[in-house]
Amino acid sequence: AQKITQTQPGMFVQEKEAVTLDCTYDTSDPSYGLFWYKQPSSGEMIFLIYQGSYDQQNATEGRYSLNFQKARKSANLVISASQLGDSAMYFCAMREGRDSSYKLIFGSGTRLLVRP
Amino acid sequence: DTGVSQDPRHKITKRGQNVTFRCDPISEHNRLYWYRQTLGQGPEFLTYFQNEAQLEKSRLLSDRFSAERPKGSFSTLEIQRTEQGDSAMYLCASSSHDSGGRSSPLHFGNGTRLTVT
Repeated sequence: AQKITQTQPGMFVQEKEAVTLDCTYDTSDPSYGLFWYKQPSSGEMIFLIYQGSYDQQNATEGRYSLNFQKARKSANLVISASQLGDSAMYFCAMREGRDSSYKLIFGSGTRLLVRP
Repeated sequence: DTGVSQDPRHKITKRGQNVTFRCDPISEHNRLYWYRQTLGQGPEFLTYFQNEAQLEKSRLLSDRFSAERPKGSFSTLEIQRTEQGDSAMYLCASSSHDSGGRSSPLHFGNGTRLTVT
């Protein structure tokens, strides 16, 4: 079974508008972490934001916020005030367990295109 | 802090040849990870090191693949007798992990794109 599901292969957003990228996850471990990474065409994976399973509040980092709904097992990324430079692939990832390898399991990604 | 560095950026090789990639992690990071990413997919975990010890290997890492981190700093990933199915982006990442179980997010390099003809 897929651990991380990103159902939107591609998304468009108008510059300066907000966009939500969906991510659902599956785990039986009560301790886990959720990450979002951005991958521009250059190939580098850029860390954006992190949410721990025990965190009470949704994570925010500048224009990025994570809409964490634990009961629904969803961790959607919200990008506010989109910029042309936000055009890239976006990956949701999960880390399971506290004392594990901290390896990440990635979803298949969403390609975001910001229109001028 | 110059980030995670990978070399080469691109490698084209003929089927059956051996290839070796290098990764230089962020200097203060004690953990180093290798991932493989095929077109249209997210990265898949291959293996990771804590300092010089290789602590976990994925089933994806066949016996043709070997990774080393001899001095706990840079790492190499070698693929022997390459096959066309090995064509992918090979990503290296590093993180710092302390004895209390706290870990920084993974910082990735730009990757090495391998094409096997």
